[in-house]
Amino acid sequence: EPEVTQTPSHQVTQMGQEVILRCVPISNHLYFYWYRQILGQKVEFLVSFYNNEISEKSEIFDDQFSVERPDGSNFTLKIRSTKLEDSAMYFCASNLQDPSYNEQFFGPGTRLTVL
Amino acid sequence: KNEVEQSPQNLTAQEGEFITINCSYSVGISALHWLQQHPGGGIVSLFMLSSGKKKHGRLIATINIQEKHSSLHITASHPRDSAVYICAVPSGSQGNLIFGKGTKLSVKP
Repeated sequence: EPEVTQTPSHQVTQMGQEVILRCVPISNHLYFYWYRQILGQKVEFLVSFYNNEISEKSEIFDDQFSVERPDGSNFTLKIRSTKLEDSAMYFCASNLQDPSYNEQFFGPGTRLTVL
Repeated sequence: KNEVEQSPQNLTAQEGEFITINCSYSVGISALHWLQQHPGGGIVSLFMLSSGKKKHGRLIATINIQEKHSSLHITASHPRDSAVYICAVPSGSQGNLIFGKGTKLSVKP
């Protein structure tokens, strides 16, 4: 069964460093998302991506964050200069079409630890 | 902005018990998602429903659109059902989800 994959599963970085979290969505899906979950808190939306551009973003997704789909398969989230408060689990998700009526498929997550 | 509330926050049950988890939301939606988060952190979609009732094995989800309320039921609960169950609703036109805080279920043998 097709699945969303994410790498790495765990990333440890120093404050101020840049990190890139990678996701490979399901191949024929068209809508892509990043979410994050700070330990002990609920999952929060970061950004959605459709037709090679950001379609919606939350207040969390500030200038430190960027997303790319560089080669038609990978979908990356870059954090330019990490802060301690960026420590969280980051989930990638994808949808085939018509997101309001179709389930989202989630990757296993990348646990980011900023020291 | 839609507010999603779940209850209870924590639930402990004995194996075999019937479980009910509730979700309410404040703004009308096209569909509601029930998700399961395993202890390792991974999220799995259980149901997406826009009306009535859906059943997968021992899991049943219902939704009342007029009352803005949904329930997830687990029949004959088993220790392997222990997980966090999360209700989520779409926000905006791109389907990004707003999540509830989750219900942590622990089923004891």
